[in-house]
Amino acid sequence: GAVVSQHPSRVICKSGTSVKIECRSLDFQATTMFWYRQFPKKSLMLMATSNEGSKATYEQGVEKDKFLINHASLTLSTLTVTSAHPEDSSFYICSAPSATTDTQYFGPGTRLTVL
Amino acid sequence: GNSVTQMEGPVTLSEEAFLTINCTYTATGYPSLFWYVQYPGEGLQLLLKATKADDKGSNKGFEATYRKETTSFHLEKGSVQVSDSAVYFCALSGNTPLVFGKGTRLSVIA
Repeated sequence: GAVVSQHPSRVICKSGTSVKIECRSLDFQATTMFWYRQFPKKSLMLMATSNEGSKATYEQGVEKDKFLINHASLTLSTLTVTSAHPEDSSFYICSAPSATTDTQYFGPGTRLTVL
Repeated sequence: GNSVTQMEGPVTLSEEAFLTINCTYTATGYPSLFWYVQYPGEGLQLLLKATKADDKGSNKGFEATYRKETTSFHLEKGSVQVSDSAVYFCALSGNTPLVFGKGTRLSVIA
């Protein structure tokens, strides 16, 4: 099946710094990608929809100035957590839908820990 | 709007037991239905899917049938293994993004 990668898989940073997470579709193009956040033992919460060539669409309650999304190409979307704080610590997962299979494929996730 | 309800966990079974995880949905139109599995510390993997009524998705011994009349997509496996221990998410998509259930944690003990 289609493969989506994320980098890094784990990151630990100090409070106040910014962290960039990359999401790549490796063998298919994705004009849209999704960013989710998952709290321990909880389901996935959709944060935003990343659109190639245009602005991201954020879900209600998600600060767009804090979670910057850039969809630079048909295979790459990045999520930058700016001025990170301990409450931003979480598991961030991206996904990309494949038009040919009508299925979303998920990256392996990035665990962010803010000290 | 669209929604998915799946049975609360955790579910604990002995190896070789029969598994059912219930999932029902509310949706307009004709969504595709999915089961994803998440192993500890990992992202989500597609387990199986069905795109129209009466379709049966199957993979790795798991099965689920798209029942439009009962708006259900229950996940079943005849004989679970310890390696099946994970969190299972039911999801639907009429148009992306996916709508997820809350997840059901399965623990299989030897």
